[in-house]
Amino acid sequence: KAGVTQTPRYLIKTRGQQVTLSCSPISGHRSVSWYQQTPGQGLQFLFEYFSETQRNKGNFPGRFSGRQFSNSRSEMNVSTLELGDSALYLCASSLGPVKDTEAFFGQGTRLTVV
Amino acid sequence: AQKITQTQPGMFVQEKEAVTLDCTYDTSDPSYGLFWYKQPSSGEMIFLIYQGSYDQQNATEGRYSLNFQKARKSANLVISASQLGDSAMYFCAMRAQGGSEKLVFGKGTKLTVNP
Repeated sequence: KAGVTQTPRYLIKTRGQQVTLSCSPISGHRSVSWYQQTPGQGLQFLFEYFSETQRNKGNFPGRFSGRQFSNSRSEMNVSTLELGDSALYLCASSLGPVKDTEAFFGQGTRLTVV
Repeated sequence: AQKITQTQPGMFVQEKEAVTLDCTYDTSDPSYGLFWYKQPSSGEMIFLIYQGSYDQQNATEGRYSLNFQKARKSANLVISASQLGDSAMYFCAMRAQGGSEKLVFGKGTKLTVNP
């Protein structure tokens, strides 16, 4: 059974550009959540999708957006990149809002903004 | 609001010994789940163990066990028979049940296993 797949693994972008990151959850999982990890702020929740609907959103500016497709794959987009957006972006896959369900992460996308 | 506290920035353990990583939490939710993840230098967040707040028994997964003390709001991870490959960052996280899948993480503990 394949795990959570994030692409690309590494990305270098210039300030002002935009970027799209992809996350394919474990087969059968319908919930995808995104997190940003930086040395200073640690792991911070970005947003959560279930059945193509955004269920929850973290405290990030509107430059950060996401979506989920009918096959549960999710993308997140960051527009007008800033140096501070350099981080490891992780996505987590789970069955959905079901009691006692585990959450599994992908390998992450390491974004560097120069 | 939920909060996870990991008070040990770094821990050292000798190979083959057991080690306990501390985690305390704060929440007003009556039902919640507690997680431990391992993050090697590669960056991948590896799921280790899960404990539901209403589980009567402490969770165990191989060499990992979770010492859950609900009254003290603690969920410590115990790794038995440490191996060199256990050297990594370890994160404790929690999630309220029945709603959002959002995980709240602690700041992590860096574990170093010495030969």
